[in-house]
Amino acid sequence: DSGVTQTPKHLITATGQRVTLRCSPRSGDLSVYWYQQSLDQGLQFLIQYYNGEERAKGNILERFSAQQFPDLHSELNLSSLELGDSALYFCASSVKGANTGELFFGEGSRLTVL
Amino acid sequence: AQTVTQSQPEMSVQEAETVTLSCTYDTSENNYYLFWYKQPPSRQMILVIRQEAYKQQNATENRFSVNFQKAAKSFSLKISDSQLGDTAMYFCAFMKRVGGSQGNLIFGKGTKLSVKP
Repeated sequence: DSGVTQTPKHLITATGQRVTLRCSPRSGDLSVYWYQQSLDQGLQFLIQYYNGEERAKGNILERFSAQQFPDLHSELNLSSLELGDSALYFCASSVKGANTGELFFGEGSRLTVL
Repeated sequence: AQTVTQSQPEMSVQEAETVTLSCTYDTSENNYYLFWYKQPPSRQMILVIRQEAYKQQNATENRFSVNFQKAAKSFSLKISDSQLGDTAMYFCAFMKRVGGSQGNLIFGKGTKLSVKP
C-alpha cells in the first residue's frame, strides 16, 4: 500500500459526459501528479500540483482540468469525453521537502468511455 | 525534450535465471534520476530501483541491479534469480532534477516480462 488513495477504482460512462477522479496523497506530501496510461500512448504525464498551485503541465487536453485543494487532495476533471479517453488514470505524490525523485502511485482509476 | 526508449516489447525468462531489460534515453540535462518501475497485473506502479545521474556506482536492490552508462545514455535492469512474482510490465523512467522539488516522470513504453516455471 503506497498510501495514495484514488477513487473511483472503476468508472464506465458515455461519450460526451463529464467525470471527476479524486486523489488523496500520502500524509504530508505536497506534490500531486496525474498520469494517463493507455494502450496506444503509454504512460503520459498530465499535470503536477504543488501545495495547491500548478507546477508543471504535460500532455493534458483542454477538455481536462485539475486542481489541488487546501487539504492537498486533488481532482482531475474530464469533460466532453471521447472513446479515446478510455484509460487508466494514475495519481502519484512525492515526499515533502525531499528531492529523492521517488513518486508514490495510487492504484489508478480505470475509465471506460462507451 | 527528454525521451525514453525501451526496445524490447516482450521478454521471457526461466525461473531462477537472469534477465536484462534495456533502456536508452535522450536528454541534454546533466542532473537527473533514472528509475525502473514494475507494474504487475494488479496494475499498481511499484518502484524497483533508482539511480542518481551524478553517482557513478550502479544501484543495487537485492536481486535487481542496473548498468548505468551515462555517456551512452543507457540504463539497463538486471534481474537475477528470476521469480514467478517478477512477471510484470517494467517501465524505465527519467526525471529531471528541479532545484529543491521534484520534476515529473517520463516513461518508456515498457517491457512485458514473463517468468516461466
